[in-house]
Amino acid sequence: AQSVTQLGSHVSVSEGALVLLRCNYSSSVPPYLFWYVQYPNQGLQLLLKYTTGATLVKGINGFEAEFKKSETSFHLTKPSAHMSDAAEYFCAVVDTGRRALTFGSGTRLQVQP
Amino acid sequence: DADVTQTPRNRITKTGKRIMLECSQTKGHDRMYWYRQDPGLGLRLIYYSFDVKDINKGEISDGYSVSRQAQAKFSLSLESAIPNQTALYFCATGQDPGQPQHFGDGTRLSIL
Repeated sequence: AQSVTQLGSHVSVSEGALVLLRCNYSSSVPPYLFWYVQYPNQGLQLLLKYTTGATLVKGINGFEAEFKKSETSFHLTKPSAHMSDAAEYFCAVVDTGRRALTFGSGTRLQVQP
Repeated sequence: DADVTQTPRNRITKTGKRIMLECSQTKGHDRMYWYRQDPGLGLRLIYYSFDVKDINKGEISDGYSVSRQAQAKFSLSLESAIPNQTALYFCATGQDPGQPQHFGDGTRLSIL
């Protein structure tokens, strides 16, 4: 079964700084990959979705993710953090056996003024 | 109105009680899912359903049961609640594996 590893349960950046949230997946074939964001007291919202063949995927709110097959990574970035980006971020891969999502453990992003 | 509605939003109950969490959707999706979220563990799959006659166990189904009453309704039951089932529970819908799932706002369940 596929799995996802998110390095760093907490990341803190200053407003205006680069955001980098790491995600590595285990799969021998290009998987379906997603990044979701969870704001306090809310459900998960889709940030972006990997599309087969793409290397750089653009999402909402200025986020993007780079797919690197050689590193089995799908790291999330944003050039300039905003206070409103403070949330928890989840990387997820489709488990082709169950045909359901397998989530990473999440990374909580803090943005300092 | 929300596309995926979960009720109740919050529930506090006692050990041994039977609890039902309900989920309804207006997305028209065939697939529905129940996850639980615990701090530091992300979301883990409890049960999922691809149609009213297709129910499948997820990775942590022990202590839970589900019912798919209609395409739009998928309920999760805890037959005899225990404190380690205290968590945030999410319902989600989807149309096929390659497409994003849509999540409800969650049910915060506390078992004393």
